[in-house]
Amino acid sequence: SAVISQKPSRDICQRGTSLTIQCQVDSQVTMMFWYRQQPGQSLTLIATANQGSEATYESGFVIDKFPISRPNLTFSTLTVSNMSPEDSSIYLCSVGQGGGYTFGSGTRLTVV
Amino acid sequence: QKEVEQNSGPLSVPEGAIASLNCTYSDRGSQSFFWYRQYSGKSPELIMSIYSNGDKEDGRFTAQLNKASQYVSLLIRDSQPSDSATYLCGMEYGNKLVFGAGTILRVKS
Repeated sequence: SAVISQKPSRDICQRGTSLTIQCQVDSQVTMMFWYRQQPGQSLTLIATANQGSEATYESGFVIDKFPISRPNLTFSTLTVSNMSPEDSSIYLCSVGQGGGYTFGSGTRLTVV
Repeated sequence: QKEVEQNSGPLSVPEGAIASLNCTYSDRGSQSFFWYRQYSGKSPELIMSIYSNGDKEDGRFTAQLNKASQYVSLLIRDSQPSDSATYLCGMEYGNKLVFGAGTILRVKS
């Protein structure tokens, strides 16, 4: 299965600022996924990122708040914009390959 | 919105017992289902995938799928304290994966 490198692993940010999270995959994949895991909750899909096209956002998530880039088949970024304390969560990227989905190690974001 | 329902628990079982985790889903068209285990502070790891009706066994784990009744279950035999974690039921539809709320399992020694 694919190996995903995600960074940063954690960050503490001031409200009103933005943070960009990066995911690098060790093989080419068509789709990459971004999830949010709020404290004590399950994973919620934010968007699907395809190379060469706009990301597809799930209900409740918008591009202005969570812009995504997908410049090639092995890399994607998620930006959390104009952050508020409610954005404090773990953000994970994922790829689907070979009958399962693999997750990055996650980015633990705290907004103060 | 496709939905996956899980009892959040916690489910407590004694060491050596069988733990039974259940999940129901709303989309009859879904074909693929996954069980993930997530330890506190870690990312989810895939335990089992199941695509057709019936049982699928892998070591101490058995996944069961009943598409007519729209439920998926995971049985863990000979439960160990190291099995204590949150178990996430995932449903794939439209080339994306959505999860239930997750069930907390506690195995007591």
